[in-house]
Amino acid sequence: DTGVSQNPRHKITKRGQNVTFRCDPISEHNRLYWYRQTLGQGPEFLTYFQNEAQLEKSRLLSDRFSAERPKGSFSTLEIQRTEQGDSAMYLCASSLMDKRETQYFGPGTRLLVL
Amino acid sequence: GENVEQHPSTLSVQEGDSAVIKCTYSDSASNYFPWYKQELGKGPQLIIDIRSNVGEKKDQRIAVTLNKTAKHFSLHITETQPEDSAVYFCAASKPRNAGNMLTFGGGTRLMVKP
Repeated sequence: DTGVSQNPRHKITKRGQNVTFRCDPISEHNRLYWYRQTLGQGPEFLTYFQNEAQLEKSRLLSDRFSAERPKGSFSTLEIQRTEQGDSAMYLCASSLMDKRETQYFGPGTRLLVL
Repeated sequence: GENVEQHPSTLSVQEGDSAVIKCTYSDSASNYFPWYKQELGKGPQLIIDIRSNVGEKKDQRIAVTLNKTAKHFSLHITETQPEDSAVYFCAASKPRNAGNMLTFGGGTRLMVKP
């Protein structure tokens, strides 16, 4: 169990650029979640996958955001035409759909949009 | 949707004292209540969780209590140590067949003074 990993850890971009983040869940975890955390706040749910199917999307996930999990393993989160309000920590979590279903979080990707 | 309120937002205690953090939730369908500890620059780490069929759970110096009728739950840390200093988040979620998305409280910054 190597834990959830996320890349990159930090990203600085200019407004209007596109960015893509990657999350590698704990192996064999069939659920994968994306959350966003702004400074001084708790994480907010964005979307989740069960295997390769995206089952739920938050109203926070505007049309500029898209997430994929093509083979039910790693996932990518893309933000198009970034805005300053997108600056936040993007957290990924994974869980095994068993009795306990604990969500384990990665270290996050911190995005700064200038 | 679910709403989780957390108090206090900051808590300062002397080493060896106890710390208590309280959360309330709004959706009576929520049945899973984890607590996460987040250190600077890191992702949230699960420290303890409780399900709605249990009123109290303890793990060494950490305990969580749940009052389903009043819709509130609390984290108790005894014999605090400087390494307990971090931001703590409570969260709530519905049954796993509803996706198990976590709704977080706003966080409590705990400072343990040596």
